[in-house]
Amino acid sequence: DIQMTQSPSSLSASVGDRVTITCQASQDISNYLNWYQQKPGKAPKLLIYDASNLETGVPSRFSGSGSGTDFTFTISSLQPEDIATYYCQQYDNLRITFGPGTKVDIK
Amino acid sequence: EVQLVESGGGLVQPGRSLRLSCAASGFTFDDYAMHWVRQAPGKGLEWVSGISWNSGSIGYADSVKGRFTISRDNAKNSLYLQMNSLRAEDTALYYCAKEGSGWYLENWGQGTLVTVSS
Repeated sequence: DIQMTQSPSSLSASVGDRVTITCQASQDISNYLNWYQQKPGKAPKLLIYDASNLETGVPSRFSGSGSGTDFTFTISSLQPEDIATYYCQQYDNLRITFGPGTKVDIK
Repeated sequence: EVQLVESGGGLVQPGRSLRLSCAASGFTFDDYAMHWVRQAPGKGLEWVSGISWNSGSIGYADSVKGRFTISRDNAKNSLYLQMNSLRAEDTALYYCAKEGSGWYLENWGQGTLVTVSS
């Protein structure tokens, strides 16, 4: 099975800061990597699919990059409403693995 | 508008069974694969099971294989999860999720809570 790691596990940043989260797969997953945002008490929300494609309606301050085993998720200018936990996710032949999550809050 | 509404959760004793349902609307149900994802209290997301549009391909997490069975009824626009031999570690919020046009989970329900306890 493909394993996913994320770092950091949590971070605290100021409004307006650039925030970067990394995700690593245990084997080559091409660009089949997605990013989700989950706010407290809410269902997860798709932000980025296929490593770098912004889901419709998602603000452009969110972006993703990478391929193979190493991926990056960036919030270009952190906003108060971005407080959430972010998960990466890979998909391999109807089997899905999520990363452990990165909790983001405001300093 | 896509809507996914889970039901069937509740308090159940270890070793007993429970069947979850997910009622789908707002899209052509039999065009998409569907999944169950769970989240234990205070923990991260864990994929449970997925099923292709025609039930021809099915996958399970190792943690539930042999105990849980996913199914769908395209005529009723519904997804199911039969959970047998429940354990305390199965306690979680169970989400129903719809794949997008690619390999990602585009839409999620609000979840149904399963608590396994004596």
